[in-house]
Amino acid sequence: AQSVTQPDIHITVSEGASLELRCNYSYGATPYLFWYVQSPGQGLQLLLKYFSGDTLVQGIKGFEAEFKRSQSSFNLRKPSVHWSDAAEYFCAVGVLWQAGTALIFGKGTTLSVSS
Amino acid sequence: SQTIHQWPATLVQPVGSPLSLECTVEGTSNPNLYWYRQAAGRGLQLLFYSVGIGQISSEVPQNLSASRPQDRQFILSSKKLLLSDSGFYLCAWSVTGSTRSDTQYFGPGTRLTVL
Repeated sequence: AQSVTQPDIHITVSEGASLELRCNYSYGATPYLFWYVQSPGQGLQLLLKYFSGDTLVQGIKGFEAEFKRSQSSFNLRKPSVHWSDAAEYFCAVGVLWQAGTALIFGKGTTLSVSS
Repeated sequence: SQTIHQWPATLVQPVGSPLSLECTVEGTSNPNLYWYRQAAGRGLQLLFYSVGIGQISSEVPQNLSASRPQDRQFILSSKKLLLSDSGFYLCAWSVTGSTRSDTQYFGPGTRLTVL
């Protein structure tokens, strides 16, 4: 079955500290993986995506993610968190679905940043 | 550049009343269009998907329906709202054609509260 698991519902990080958000996927074919961020009451913004090549992917706002096939993981990282990074983060996998394709999302991780 | 609009931004409706949420995309032709619902603690659930005018695929049986009367217009409807229809509704688009690596671009969302 295809699915995405984000084990951490809520994480609190001090401003300036490093961040890692976990994501594990289950998909039978080559995975295409995405990280989105959602600020309160807003839509989702794409941070980065992986679909081939280098397993370390750079995104916007200083985020990066590493694809590890052996662990079925696509963890999101940032070396130094800013207060403006407080938001909800979603990992997703692109799948074939009915007449086309769709994204299967994890349930999200809420990031709080403490001063 | 492409933009996606949703309205209304916020809606409070009584149980049993009808619903119509609208999504429009500008700056692209024949996009794939999606409706998602985000309920508390449940992540994003794909509701409907459309590859063209009049072509709608549904993920799960529910109290909602979707229509695509024009190329860049996607409407979510209900004849009689239920309490369980409350949530944050997000519209998204991706480029025409269909591959699993396609990025989906999200609108600002509609917050629906059914009382």
